[in-house]
Amino acid sequence: DIQMTQSPSSLSASVGDRVTITCRASQSINTFLNWYQQRPGKAPKLLIYAASSLQSGVPSRFSGSGSGTHFTLTISSLQPEDLATYHCQQSFSTPYTFGQGTKLEIK
Amino acid sequence: EVQLVESGGGLVQPGESLRLSCAASGFTFSGSWMHWVRQVPGKGLVWVSRINSGGSSTNYADSVKGRFTISRDNAKNALSLQMNSLRAEDTAVYYCARAADGTRNALDIWGQGTMVTVSS
Repeated sequence: DIQMTQSPSSLSASVGDRVTITCRASQSINTFLNWYQQRPGKAPKLLIYAASSLQSGVPSRFSGSGSGTHFTLTISSLQPEDLATYHCQQSFSTPYTFGQGTKLEIK
Repeated sequence: EVQLVESGGGLVQPGESLRLSCAASGFTFSGSWMHWVRQVPGKGLVWVSRINSGGSSTNYADSVKGRFTISRDNAKNALSLQMNSLRAEDTAVYYCARAADGTRNALDIWGQGTMVTVSS
């Protein structure tokens, strides 16, 4: 199975900050990497697919990059509504494993 | 409205069975690959299973293989997860989700989840 490792596991940032979350795969997954946002008590929501494609309706302050084994999710200017846990997922081969999640708090 | 609605969760004893259902609406269900993902409250997401659009091909996580069965009824726009020989470690919120075309298998529509508790 492909292991996905996210870092950091939690972070605290201020409104307006630039935030970066990293996800590493245990083997190359090309660009079969997706990012989800999960607000407290809610279902996950797709933000970024295929490593860098912005899902329809997602604010442009979210962006993704990377290929192979190293990927990043960036929020260019943090907003209060971005309080959530962010999950990466590889969809290269089953089982479609997730990272452990990054809990983002607003200072 | 594009929607997935899960049902069937509840409290069961170890070794018992439970069947989860997921009702789809607002999109072409018969053309969509579907997945189940679970999450222990406060923990990360865990992929469980997927089924192709026609129902002829399925995949499972090792932790549920041989105990869980995913199936679908395209005439009824319904996805199911039959869970047998349940264990305490199967306790989680179960989500059904759609894999979107053209997204390299990303899950773009999620249900609200249904809680399964396995406890004596």
